[in-house]
Amino acid sequence: AQTVTQSQPEMSVQEAETVTLSCTYDTSENNYYLFWYKQPPSRQMILVIRQEAYKQQNATENRFSVNFQKAAKSFSLKISDSQLGDTAMYFCAFMISSNFGNEKLTFGTGTRLTIIP
Amino acid sequence: NAGVMQNPRHLVRRRGQEARLRCSPMKGHSHVYWYRQLPEEGLKFMVYLQKENIIDESGMPKERFSAEFPKEGPSILRIQQVVRGDSAAYFCASSPEQGAGQPQHFGDGTRLSIL
Repeated sequence: AQTVTQSQPEMSVQEAETVTLSCTYDTSENNYYLFWYKQPPSRQMILVIRQEAYKQQNATENRFSVNFQKAAKSFSLKISDSQLGDTAMYFCAFMISSNFGNEKLTFGTGTRLTIIP
Repeated sequence: NAGVMQNPRHLVRRRGQEARLRCSPMKGHSHVYWYRQLPEEGLKFMVYLQKENIIDESGMPKERFSAEFPKEGPSILRIQQVVRGDSAAYFCASSPEQGAGQPQHFGDGTRLSIL
């Protein structure tokens, strides 16, 4: 079974600063996918970024980037130039790559990020 | 907006009643997943369906819970004889048929409250 650990229950940072959210996971699989989802106070689940385990290059999406360390089973999210709208719960999630193609997501417990004006 | 549609947004039931939660996937998506989020916790997988098939129900409680995704119409998550512990947010997600590791797109959730 796969597990995802987010060791920072809460974080806060000043607007315009950079913040890094940590995530580690445990799996015996070699092929898998990792995701970060954002859940703002509206409670929607919004995809932030996706990483394929077989790609060494770290994924980036505008102000969001990841530091994927496969050997260490670490998948941290960096938010640059943080904005008030980044205030949300952030969930790290894991998906096995199977022959079937689509699989369930295993989520961490989340990090509550507050951006301070 | 052709996103994942869930209804109702809020559902209140008394103990012992039945709750029916509906989910229409994004256009072109044929895979549906249900997750449950208890207060102040992460999402937990419940069930994965394709049209007329349950693919993985390993996260579904053995009793009182059932799910379906008929050939026509939305996916339904059904909870019979609800108890206080069923109070949670229930999220539906969908993904397209082709391609491994496709991101799942989530609906806004149904918040179920049991009186």
